[in-house]
Formats: sequence, structure tokens, C-alpha cells
Amino acid sequence: DTGVSQNPRHKITKRGQNVTFRCDPISEHNRLYWYRQTLGQGPEFLTYFQNEAQLEKSRLLSDRFSAERPKGSFSTLEIQRTEQGDSAMYLCASSAGQGYGYTFGSGTRLTVV
Amino acid sequence: ILNVEQSPQSLHVQEGDSTNFTCSFPSSNFYALHWYRWETAKSPEALFVMTLNGDEKKKGRISATLNTKEGYSYLYIKGSQPEDSATYLCAVNAGGTSYGKLTFGQGTILTVHP
Repeated sequence: DTGVSQNPRHKITKRGQNVTFRCDPISEHNRLYWYRQTLGQGPEFLTYFQNEAQLEKSRLLSDRFSAERPKGSFSTLEIQRTEQGDSAMYLCASSAGQGYGYTFGSGTRLTVV
Repeated sequence: ILNVEQSPQSLHVQEGDSTNFTCSFPSSNFYALHWYRWETAKSPEALFVMTLNGDEKKKGRISATLNTKEGYSYLYIKGSQPEDSATYLCAVNAGGTSYGKLTFGQGTILTVHP
């Protein structure tokens, strides 16, 4: 296993367009998290999956954001009708369980112009 | 809302100096504290996960301590090297129904000058 993989690494999109990011976690990890990080801030929680079930979604996440994890494997994060405020680094991480460290992907940097 | 504070925000040291950072968090509803190192253009890397009051962990020249009663953790780097330059993130898991969700501090940016 080569760790957590995220694609694409960079995405530039025009305001109003939809974007989708993919995360492939470590196969043995049943927990998958999405975080968003903006300049000068620490990563901010977006949503969490245990296997295929989405168990928590941040109240900060508008209805334009949706995430899936079909069959408990890879996950996708979609942002509809992007806004300039969505520009950020989107990080995916997987974990073997509570009390274990996260393994992060390299992130997808989104720029909305 | 869980508030995790890190200080200082940034730090510049000379090669060979020892340094330390602080992470403060509410002492109630605590399950675990994580430290991560995030180098530019790389993924955040887990350094330590600590759960018990008085925990001390060490990895090479880096060590960390945990005080859950007063709500703080220290990260120490002995004999800093330029390759230690990175953002150091602290994160807390409140346990219970948080499902392992971490609340991160804003990070401490360390620059080690040769």
C-alpha cells in the first residue's frame, strides 16, 4: 500500500463550475476524513466516513458540498457552483480507528477564479 | 466548540538550537492529542498520539509531553536541523461521539537556519 492518494493535486476552476476530488485511502483503514485548510489556519473538519457510512458532516459545510464513499473504498468530494471562498487545500486522511494517527494524502489545492 | 491554541505562530532558530512549542486545549472531554509535522509540498506526517496524563513520547530528537489536567502539551526539538523546518500541528480528539474527528490548532511554523 502506497499510502493515501488524492487526485488531482491542483485544480483551477471558474466560479460557478462544479468540481470533484478523489481520495484513495489505505485499504485496511475503515475511517476516512475530509478536511479543508486555508492560509494561516489549521485543517478544518468537513466530513467523516466509517466504511461507506457518512457519520458526521460539519455544520460549516453548505449544501453545495457532498461526499460519498461507495463500498467503503475510495471517496469523492464534490463542490457544486464553486465560489471564490472555496479556494483552499482539501485534505483527505484515513485512520485505523480512534487513538490512531491519521495518514494524510498530499491534498488537492483548489483555486476558484 | 473545541478550541485548540498553538504558540508561537512562527519561530526562527539557528541550526543546533533546541526549541519547544505549546499546544493548549480544554481539559474536559479529552480523549487523545496528536502532533503532526507538515513539510512544504508534502503530506502532514503523524509524530505522536498521546492519551494519558503525564504521557511522554520520543522519536529521535523530537519529544512531546501531555498534561490533560491543565490542558496543554509541549513538543520539544533537540539540536534543530534545517530539515526540521516545517509546520507543526497539534490536534485534539474529544472522544465520545466525535468518531476520532480531530480539531486542529493553527500550527507553529518552524524555520531552522543553517
